[in-house]
Amino acid sequence: DTGVSQDPRHKITKRGQNVTFRCDPISEHNRLYWYRQTLGQGPEFLTYFQNEAQLEKSRLLSDRFSAERPKGSFSTLEIQRTEQGDSAMYLCASSLTGSDIQYFGAGTRLSVL
Amino acid sequence: KQEVTQIPAALSVPEGENLVLNCSFTDSAIYNLQWFRQDPGKGLTSLLLIQSSQREQTSGRLNASLDKSSGRSTLYIAASQPGDSATYLCAALNYGGATNKLIFGTGTLLAVQP
Repeated sequence: DTGVSQDPRHKITKRGQNVTFRCDPISEHNRLYWYRQTLGQGPEFLTYFQNEAQLEKSRLLSDRFSAERPKGSFSTLEIQRTEQGDSAMYLCASSLTGSDIQYFGAGTRLSVL
Repeated sequence: KQEVTQIPAALSVPEGENLVLNCSFTDSAIYNLQWFRQDPGKGLTSLLLIQSSQREQTSGRLNASLDKSSGRSTLYIAASQPGDSATYLCAALNYGGATNKLIFGTGTLLAVQP
């Protein structure tokens, strides 16, 4: 499969626990995005990487959230001390400089109990 | 700040009908507008992308139009099929910055009844 891959697909955790999600973009795609989608809403931008550099972070990304993209390949999104309000679908997308199309992964659905 | 709105929120039609989904945006300085399809519990699939200089794009039974001056885009689906049932999202990409982040509407949930 050469698409954007996200792992895990589903994560159930208790409030206060830390969770980490992984995104593997399409090979050679240098741009990587994280979005969050809550039930009945459209995705909202969280953060953007160009290669290994994190160039923009949304105000939605509180200090409990951190994202990395070491070596400009896969990316991880960590949420510390999860809250029930963090329950959502976390989507990753990648694109190539010069192309406007973002390719999305299937997402990681987080449920915080 | 760009805001994107989609109406209706939900739509149910019998198989074979032609239908139109609407998308409105507040900032006309868009670079492009995309329509996506999302199946339940799944990620997004890009359907059509219209550049700001274009008026419409077609792919099979789908036709998307863009009117920047009025801040509107429509997605026309011809001869709808049960397999078209999904949530349809539009997203605007604005000029400025290097991020190319998409601003999404809340989506239209389409059900095509056999």
